[in-house]
Amino acid sequence: GQQLNQSPQSMFIQEGEDVSMNCTSSSIFNTWLWYKQDPGEGPVLLIALYKAGELTSNGRLTAQFGITRKDSFLNISASIPSDVGIYFCAGPSGGSNYKLTFGKGTLLTVNP
Amino acid sequence: DTAVSQTPKYLVTQMGNDKSIKCEQNLGHDTMYWYKQDSKKFLKIMFSYNNKELIINETVPNRFSPKSPDKAHLNLHINSLELGDSAVYFCASSQDSGQGTQYFGPGTRLTVL
Repeated sequence: GQQLNQSPQSMFIQEGEDVSMNCTSSSIFNTWLWYKQDPGEGPVLLIALYKAGELTSNGRLTAQFGITRKDSFLNISASIPSDVGIYFCAGPSGGSNYKLTFGKGTLLTVNP
Repeated sequence: DTAVSQTPKYLVTQMGNDKSIKCEQNLGHDTMYWYKQDSKKFLKIMFSYNNKELIINETVPNRFSPKSPDKAHLNLHINSLELGDSAVYFCASSQDSGQGTQYFGPGTRLTVL
């Protein structure tokens, strides 16, 4: 099945720094989703991307749908302590809008 | 006004027992899902129901049986629990027109002793 390679696996940064993480696939995706999971909670949708080349922002977060449709990145600017968590990329796979494939996540730690 | 809710939040039980997890969504979505998150935080889909009809059934032991009494509810029953079933189970829902966007519940942490 389709796989998503998410990197980096973990990041340790200082408050105020910018962060970038990305997801790549050997297959084409028609939708890219970015989720954040806080400890003890479920994944929360941050940004959804539906068109190749699309660049979408949500506050300090910006995500882009790669032109090849095989990659996406998420940037966080001016990080704050509450940005701590696991960030997942995901996309519908196998020709079905119902079956999401998830990346393995990027664990972000922000030092105050 | 919780969108996707699950009960219980925590479940601790002995091997061999049977247990159920309940999920409800008040978003008016057509499709509901069960995911399993392992200790390495990897999220994998288990089942999906669309308008009470099973549409995704991944390679899951048949000790796991989902049931959808109506569009807003999807329950997961697990028979003869094993140590390896310990994980966090997430319910999710989506609208058919949502191009794959899914909304997750808070999770149920199952611990099998």
